[in-house]
Amino acid sequence: DAGVTQSPTHLIKTRGQQVTLRCSPKSGHDTVSWYQQALGQGPQFIFQYYEEEERQRGNFPDRFSGHQFPNYSSELNVNALLLGDSALYLCASTPGLAQDTQYFGPGTRLTVL
Amino acid sequence: ILNVEQSPQSLHVQEGDSTNFTCSFPSSNFYALHWYRWETAKSPEALFVMTLNGDEKKKGRISATLNTKEGYSYLYIKGSQPEDSATYLCAHNRDDKIIFGKGTRLHILP
Repeated sequence: DAGVTQSPTHLIKTRGQQVTLRCSPKSGHDTVSWYQQALGQGPQFIFQYYEEEERQRGNFPDRFSGHQFPNYSSELNVNALLLGDSALYLCASTPGLAQDTQYFGPGTRLTVL
Repeated sequence: ILNVEQSPQSLHVQEGDSTNFTCSFPSSNFYALHWYRWETAKSPEALFVMTLNGDEKKKGRISATLNTKEGYSYLYIKGSQPEDSATYLCAHNRDDKIIFGKGTRLHILP
């Protein structure tokens, strides 16, 4: 039973560039949430996808966008990267929209230079 | 309390000793409180989800209690072992979003 997977593991970009991060949910899960964890902070909720639509969104600018595919996998896109976007990006999955225990992937470490 | 707050931020405990730390959260519109353990270079792993006031959950040497009226939860570790070294996160369901605290970083000293 495959858990949540994310790619890539690490990524280095420069300011102004765009980045796409990918997530495959745990088998049997159809809801994907994305979090940003900056140094010294807890994970901050970015948004949640269910049935290929954004259902909930945290306090992040429109530069952060996402997509969910029919196989429930998801992408997080960040445009016009800023130095402050450097963080660990976590993906988590759950079965359905209920706010139950989330299963996390190992994260993607993004460094913006 | 408007956000999820955890204390202490960091903790050093001698192997074999017991310890506990706190998660405080807004008591209004409560749905659920989650505890996760996050070891270095691994994914956060769910420990407990608690929904009812007075709930007590136990998993081996780790247990947790919940007080929804006053908005706090305690996590207890009995007889700490080196493998307990990790960051312990609590998260609160509110308005259909999950809000995390900053975590308590636990170091077990040999």
